[in-house]
Amino acid sequence: DTAVSQTPKYLVTQMGNDKSIKCEQNLGHDTMYWYKQDSKKFLKIMFSYNNKELIINETVPNRFSPKSPDKAHLNLHINSLELGDSAVYFCASSLRDLGTEAFFGQGTRLTVV
Amino acid sequence: AQSVTQLGSHVSVSEGALVLLRCNYSSSVPPYLFWYVQYPNQGLQLLLKYTTGATLVKGINGFEAEFKKSETSFHLTKPSAHMSDAAEYFCAVSGPQGAQKLVFGQGTRLTINP
Repeated sequence: DTAVSQTPKYLVTQMGNDKSIKCEQNLGHDTMYWYKQDSKKFLKIMFSYNNKELIINETVPNRFSPKSPDKAHLNLHINSLELGDSAVYFCASSLRDLGTEAFFGQGTRLTVV
Repeated sequence: AQSVTQLGSHVSVSEGALVLLRCNYSSSVPPYLFWYVQYPNQGLQLLLKYTTGATLVKGINGFEAEFKKSETSFHLTKPSAHMSDAAEYFCAVSGPQGAQKLVFGQGTRLTINP
């Protein structure tokens, strides 16, 4: 069973479109994250949710809106996609204490054309 | 604020040789330190972590790292490289309990030569 699963794995879309990426974890963790990995492999946190409550929002444009319907799910909706949004987006989960391991999904490669 | 610097964006070693990937961190609070590995087109997998206690930590696949507070370093080593070790390696830091996020270094690509 996949611990952290993201869908879709690949997403190709045109500028201006709206798209969503879904994430689910079956580890019983209370904290979930979205990270963005750019073309140079640099990883940066975007959002963090703890028990459905937004904890971290790292100066991400308003076009990005995370939604956590329950603590096992964290979805990412992106409005009005831009070329610069092309990246790999990783979902992750952990227990609130980051001394425990953070588990990452396989990533969603978003390409905006 | 916390930050991580990985020295060398690309490291190349021969199969059987020592692997040394360098990581220095900056943190105003006692850090938690991590090494993650990313294989092509895959997510990140934890290799090892330091939180408290013993400063030499052992991880999966024969890797280990030593936390040196005086040098603010957490270098990753493996005595003998294997072809399957070729991947991207990320060092990361977080604060103590409740810090809520990992801050990553820029990554080091490890290439293994036959």
